Amino acid sequence: DTGVSQDPRHKITKRGQNVTFRCDPISEHNRLYWYRQTLGQGPEFLTYFQNEAQLEKSRLLSDRFSAERPKGSFSTLEIQRTEQGDSAMYLCASSIVGQGRDGYTFGSGTRLTVV
Amino acid sequence: DAKTTQPPSMDCAEGRAANLPCNHSTISGNEYVYWYRQIHSQGPQYIIHGLKNNETNEMASLIITEDRKSSTLILPHATLRDTAVYYCIVRVDRGGADGLTFGKGTHLIIQP
Repeated sequence: DTGVSQDPRHKITKRGQNVTFRCDPISEHNRLYWYRQTLGQGPEFLTYFQNEAQLEKSRLLSDRFSAERPKGSFSTLEIQRTEQGDSAMYLCASSIVGQGRDGYTFGSGTRLTVV
Repeated sequence: DAKTTQPPSMDCAEGRAANLPCNHSTISGNEYVYWYRQIHSQGPQYIIHGLKNNETNEMASLIITEDRKSSTLILPHATLRDTAVYYCIVRVDRGGADGLTFGKGTHLIIQP
């Protein structure tokens, strides 16, 4: 297992298009988290899953953002009708239940540029 | 989660100890101090955490003041690869049942 994988690493899209990012967590990790990071800022928590259940989604930035984890393994984050303000790094992390103290492992992120 | 204050940037010479301060004057008794770092173009990486006592691991040492209102992360022999943004986070341990709240962190630059 090579850690948390995110795909693609970079995405350039035109304003108004939909984009989808994928995250593959560490295989034994049952919790998965999505963050957004804009230039010069720390990562901002968006949502998380425990297995296939989405337990926190109030932090999703708007109804254009949605996330799924249908089989409790990989997850996708979709942004519909992208706007220039959506340009950011989107990070995924995973952990095991009960090991939040030091168990968050982050991927290298997907950098989105909306033109 | 308690608010933290960190200097926006610091320099340190290679081979020297890097001491990164963090103020968290409103910390509660059940809140831990966590440190993460983010190297350019990578996701954040856990470094160390502590509640009251000083802690040490293979990466760093964490010194927490007796009143717990501030702490210092120490990288004992900084290398160029330690150049990164370092985040101090104060939070209750919820066993991973929520996300981390990052501030802007300290950009540590190790000078050759």
